[in-house]
Amino acid sequence: AQSVTQPDIHITVSEGASLELRCNYSYGATPYLFWYVQSPGQGLQLLLKYFSGDTLVQGIKGFEAEFKRSQSSFNLRKPSVHWSDAAEYFCAVGATNAGKSTFGDGTTLTVKP
Amino acid sequence: DAGVIQSPRHEVTEMGQEVTLRCKPISGHDYLFWYRQTMMRGLELLIYFNNNVPIDDSGMPEDRFSAKMPNASFSTLKIQPSEPRDSAVYFCASSLNSYGYTFGSGTRLTVV
Repeated sequence: AQSVTQPDIHITVSEGASLELRCNYSYGATPYLFWYVQSPGQGLQLLLKYFSGDTLVQGIKGFEAEFKRSQSSFNLRKPSVHWSDAAEYFCAVGATNAGKSTFGDGTTLTVKP
Repeated sequence: DAGVIQSPRHEVTEMGQEVTLRCKPISGHDYLFWYRQTMMRGLELLIYFNNNVPIDDSGMPEDRFSAKMPNASFSTLKIQPSEPRDSAVYFCASSLNSYGYTFGSGTRLTVV
């Protein structure tokens, strides 16, 4: 069975500071990995995804994530956070031809002015 | 594409009434998912379909909940009778194979 752990429930960073959100997964084969963002009152939006190949993937809104197989991690990063990045972030793991993804519990990001 | 379309955006109903939530997935997507989100329980998968066929409904909380997908462009989630504890935001999402979900904007259900 696949599972996802997001160790940080809540993170606060200052505007302009760098950001890293942690995600650890459990899956027996090469996973499909995703990060989603949910702004207040909205549905989840796909930020980026990893299927294979280059372990550093670029996404929308200036986000990137790095797949590290040895650490079973897929951490999300952004070099300089903007106030509009305040939201909840979900990591998810899926499998080839399985359709369904398993989501983590989410990390809420607060951005201080 | 207009994305995943859910209706209504908000629904307020009295306990015991039937509630029907609707979803139009993205054309060409072969998976459709229904999720419920609350502060207490987070994001819960209720049921999902592949090519209009229900694959896993183990997340449906009770027999009061039912979901259908009569064709590739429409799905419903019905609660009958509704109870206050059903109050939540219900999301529909669709995907092409395992390539990531597109979520709708959700239906905020309040049962009073």
